[in-house]
Amino acid sequence: DQQVKQNSPSLSVQEGRISILNCDYTNSMFDYFLWYKKYPAEGPTFLISISSIKDKNEDGRFTVFLNKSAKHLSLHIVPSQPGDSAVYFCAASRKGNNNDMRFGAGTRLTVKP
Amino acid sequence: GAGVSQSPSNKVTEKGKDVELRCDPISGHTALYWYRQSLGQGLEFLIYFQGNSAPDKSGLPSDRFSAERTGGSVSTLTIQRTQQEDSAVYLCASSLGLAGAGTQYFGPGTRLLVL
Repeated sequence: DQQVKQNSPSLSVQEGRISILNCDYTNSMFDYFLWYKKYPAEGPTFLISISSIKDKNEDGRFTVFLNKSAKHLSLHIVPSQPGDSAVYFCAASRKGNNNDMRFGAGTRLTVKP
Repeated sequence: GAGVSQSPSNKVTEKGKDVELRCDPISGHTALYWYRQSLGQGLEFLIYFQGNSAPDKSGLPSDRFSAERTGGSVSTLTIQRTQQEDSAVYLCASSLGLAGAGTQYFGPGTRLLVL
């Protein structure tokens, strides 16, 4: 049962443009959402998170948007840089239940110079 | 280094053999997690250790899988009588254990191939 879905396995954008990575979830009990970034041969690293009480969280070039009614979140990277090329995982959990985090299958982002 | 380390980085084994995967969490992190990622899939939760509490084993796919965490630090994931469908990247993560607020720090993973 895939509770967190990333329907685009890959995305390619030009350097300097905006990258938009999408994620959908099915469990309305999720109230905490995270994005992780993974380079080859390395473990995922935490990028940005958002609580369900917010609809936007910004950190530098990275912004996460949450649409609770649509059970949809997205990660915007602007401007995109070649070093952003990686696999991005969306994750969702319920606060107080850290072992119940569910991850999407990931989206491979390629930023072309 | 100060990050999560895992060994071996790669493991090739024959069907039916047992394998042990090791994880060294970040010092001071009380929570430790094991996940696996099969080809084209997301990270699948396997097991969770928090301090001295009984581990949450709800994600283990079968009784061939087991894990220990000795002394609240190093953890070993054991897969007995490996099957080809066990082939995956096994990831370990640790966190401060603050429920819902503790970011998980991942190791580089062990890539397991069962022939």
